[in-house]
Amino acid sequence: QSLLTQPPSASGTPGQRVTISCSGSSSNIGSNYVYWYQHLPGTAPKPLIYMNNQRPSGVPDRFSGSKSGTSASLAISGLRSDDEADYYCAAWDDSLKGVLFGGGTKLTVL
Amino acid sequence: QVQLQESGPGLVKPSQTLSLTCTVSGASVSKTGYYWTWIRQAAGKGLEWIGRIYTNGANDYNPSLKSRVTMSVDRSTNQFSLNLRSVTAADTAVYYCARELWPSSARLDFWGQGARVTVSS
Repeated sequence: QSLLTQPPSASGTPGQRVTISCSGSSSNIGSNYVYWYQHLPGTAPKPLIYMNNQRPSGVPDRFSGSKSGTSASLAISGLRSDDEADYYCAAWDDSLKGVLFGGGTKLTVL
Repeated sequence: QVQLQESGPGLVKPSQTLSLTCTVSGASVSKTGYYWTWIRQAAGKGLEWIGRIYTNGANDYNPSLKSRVTMSVDRSTNQFSLNLRSVTAADTAVYYCARELWPSSARLDFWGQGARVTVSS
């Protein structure tokens, strides 16, 4: 199963800014929107970013998304201890004709 | 508020069929504009999209699972279901149901809490 490529881990201290990358190809990120989800084990994943850079209602503006070519990024500023979670990117893949997720990035707040 | 809840056996024997149901409240599976989607996560692994079904029964399945997957929608009970045939230990995972907005594929706005399924004899 092909995956979008994310770093397995990221870390930062409270108040810092952290960026998580997501790399794909022309058949997914290059031609479709990117979505980001926050997942705490044992809970339902939470939508964070939709359509590359839009935040659902209730998601603080500390979270921001961007996309360039076949890559995307999630930035979290003003890092808080409760941001500690797994973060996944996702995009439709035109070749697979299905949704591809990244492998997930475990964010640790030191 | 839209809520989704997975239900089904937590233990399935190898070679048998895994069957899960997702009960939807606060929204209608009959309404156009949404897909009803299944995703799973094996221990220590990332999220894997299994597939989705539209209210009219149209579906898209992950090619790696397509030969073993069937999804259905029951408008009378406002539920949708997943059947995964010929399971092996590799199908042991937490299974999530979710609502996916049409046509913005991959935009999953509401998720269930997940159902843990173990494949073991």
